[in-house]
Amino acid sequence: EAGVVQSPRYKIIEKKQPVAFWCNPISGHNTLYWYRQNLGQGPELLIRYENEEAVDDSQLPKDRFSAERLKGVDSTLKIQPAELGDSAVYLCASSLAGGPSDTQYFGPGTRLTVL
Amino acid sequence: KNQVEQSPQSLIILEGKNCTLQCNYTVSPFSNLRWYKQDTGRGPVSLTIMTFSENTKSNGRYTATLDADTKQSSLHITASQLSDSASYICVVSDHNDYKLSFGAGTTVTVRA
Repeated sequence: EAGVVQSPRYKIIEKKQPVAFWCNPISGHNTLYWYRQNLGQGPELLIRYENEEAVDDSQLPKDRFSAERLKGVDSTLKIQPAELGDSAVYLCASSLAGGPSDTQYFGPGTRLTVL
Repeated sequence: KNQVEQSPQSLIILEGKNCTLQCNYTVSPFSNLRWYKQDTGRGPVSLTIMTFSENTKSNGRYTATLDADTKQSSLHITASQLSDSASYICVVSDHNDYKLSFGAGTTVTVRA
């Protein structure tokens, strides 16, 4: 069974440029998460989807970040415009459901460098 | 605010030796605690999960313990191998919420 797929794996952009990340969750997983992981830190939740609905985007900086999950499968996370502080690894995870006992499976992440 | 504190921040051990990582948490009400392994450049992978009633769980050479009364957990790596070099993250779930509280991780380096 394929795991969570993310692309690109690496992205280098100049500040003020836009960038987008793509995630394909494990087949059948209804819940999808986007996390940001700074160097030496644990992941921090940005947004959670139940099917196509964003049920928690309280930690998403909405002035520059946006996300969508059309048809409740693939998801994209966009930053426009990017700032130096956005440099981090962006992880996508999925789970069968969104309960506390449901295991979240993580993708390899996209490492973003903003120059 | 729920917090998860891990120690040490990093450690270096020789191949074949054992080591123990620590995790203290303040998440309440508690649902479960997981240890994840994150290889460099990869996403975290779940190693073990323990609920309130469990105090030990093994996965090969990895053994996790949980003391829900003191809100402490440990991960013991036995007979370490070079492939154990990774970051180990303690993750705690709130019983009322789907949100996970992540520790900052312990970076383990195994040297030949």
